[in-house]
Amino acid sequence: QQQVKQSPQSLIVQKGGISIINCAYENTAFDYFPWYQQFPGKGPALLIAIRPDVSEKKEGRFTISFNKSAKQFSLHIMDSQPGDSATYFCAATGTSGSRLTFGEGTQLTVNP
Amino acid sequence: KAGVTQTPRYLIKTRGQQVTLSCSPISGHRSVSWYQQTPGQGLQFLFEYFSETQRNKGNFPGRFSGRQFSNSRSEMNVSTLELGDSALYLCASREGGSTDTQYFGPGTRLTVL
Repeated sequence: QQQVKQSPQSLIVQKGGISIINCAYENTAFDYFPWYQQFPGKGPALLIAIRPDVSEKKEGRFTISFNKSAKQFSLHIMDSQPGDSATYFCAATGTSGSRLTFGEGTQLTVNP
Repeated sequence: KAGVTQTPRYLIKTRGQQVTLSCSPISGHRSVSWYQQTPGQGLQFLFEYFSETQRNKGNFPGRFSGRQFSNSRSEMNVSTLELGDSALYLCASREGGSTDTQYFGPGTRLTVL
């Protein structure tokens, strides 16, 4: 019940295209859903986050869509750039905020 | 503000040894969490410390332990190292109050031979 399922495992997109990564969770106690971006040799960096009281949040080229009834959320990267090539992790946590449960990760490659 | 710092960045140990990793959180952050990242298991929560007390613990054996000092700096210790302990160990800090955002350090790459 603690799992977060993420897909796809890898994604190749052309420059300027839209990258879409999906996650699904089971634990209804989760109430905070961040996305992290990780480059090789670096720690994960917070990209954008959402709470279940909103269905969408947009920051620049990055948008989270959230479907509470389906227990699913997704990250959309508009106008994908080669610099976006990284591993993306969705995550979820409950009210304590301390224990992040991560998805398996998606390796995104944006071709020039 | 300076980010989360972790030392050392790289470490090589042999089976049976023990290791101590250090994490300095962002100034003002009182919560420090530790995560293990491996290709097979992904990112897994180890434990969280807040105001020198362990507040949450993941599903890891007792060989994994930690502590937090009064200045919020934290150390993680792994005793009797096994080959499977080879991983990137990440520390994350957050204010510990209503803000839930965790900020990660660059990690310590531990290799067990």
